[in-house]
Amino acid sequence: QVQLQESGPGLVKPSGTLSLTCVVSGGSISSSDWWTWVRQPPGQGLEWIGEVFHTGTTNYNPSLNSRVTISVDQSKNQFSLNLTSVTAADTAVYYCARDPRLHYHYYGLDVWGQGTTVTVSS
Amino acid sequence: QSVLTQPPSASGTPGQRVTISCSGSSSNIGSSYVYWYQQLPGTAPKLLIYRNNQRPSGVPDRFSGSKSVTSASLAISGLRSEDGADYYCATWDDSLSGWVFGGGTKLTVL
Repeated sequence: QVQLQESGPGLVKPSGTLSLTCVVSGGSISSSDWWTWVRQPPGQGLEWIGEVFHTGTTNYNPSLNSRVTISVDQSKNQFSLNLTSVTAADTAVYYCARDPRLHYHYYGLDVWGQGTTVTVSS
Repeated sequence: QSVLTQPPSASGTPGQRVTISCSGSSSNIGSSYVYWYQQLPGTAPKLLIYRNNQRPSGVPDRFSGSKSVTSASLAISGLRSEDGADYYCATWDDSLSGWVFGGGTKLTVL
C-alpha cells in the first residue's frame, strides 16, 4: 500500500525558507490522488497548508498563500513544500498526506506520513 | 482560531459511550461531508470516519459518525483505554478550496 515519508532540515533560521520533501512509495504520484501538506504547531491543532496534483495544479491556504509553494516531481515520485520568510510561528510538525479524491468526491486524507518536526530559531 | 468548533476535552470510563461534537456553518459542514481523525500521542493523525458516517477498513464499529445541518458528532461506544487520543473533525471548504479542521478534542479514558 501507499506510504509517505517526509524529510528535510529540522532547524530553519528566522526569515529563511523551510523546504520539505515527501516521497511516495507503494504507488504512483501520477495517480488521480491529490498530495497534501498539513502542519501542527506544538500543543495545537491541525492546519491544512495546501495540495498539489501530479499535473502541477495547486491549492493553498489563503493564510499562507503568499509564502507557500508546493511542487511535484513525477520522475522521483515525490512532492515538496517550500515556505518562505519563516518565523517562530511556523515551528510545527509537518505532515504530508494523500487525498484520494475523484473529481469533487472527497474521501478524506487517508494516508499520512509520520511527520517531521521543524523548528524556526536562530 | 479553528474554523470548526470542538470541545477541548471529553472523558469517560471503560465500557461507556462518549460523544464528541463538531460545530460549523452553512459554508463548511452545511455544504459538505464531515471527516474524523484520531491522533494517538506522538503519532500522525489517522482517518477514522469519512463522508459523515463511513468507516475505513480496519476501524472498529465502536466508532460512528453523524451529521445534522451544520454540526456533527463522533460517538465511541464500549470505550477502551486505547481510545485515549486527540480527535479532530474536518470538512472540505469550497470557499477556501481546502480542508478545514476543528481545534481537536482530547479524550481521556478514566
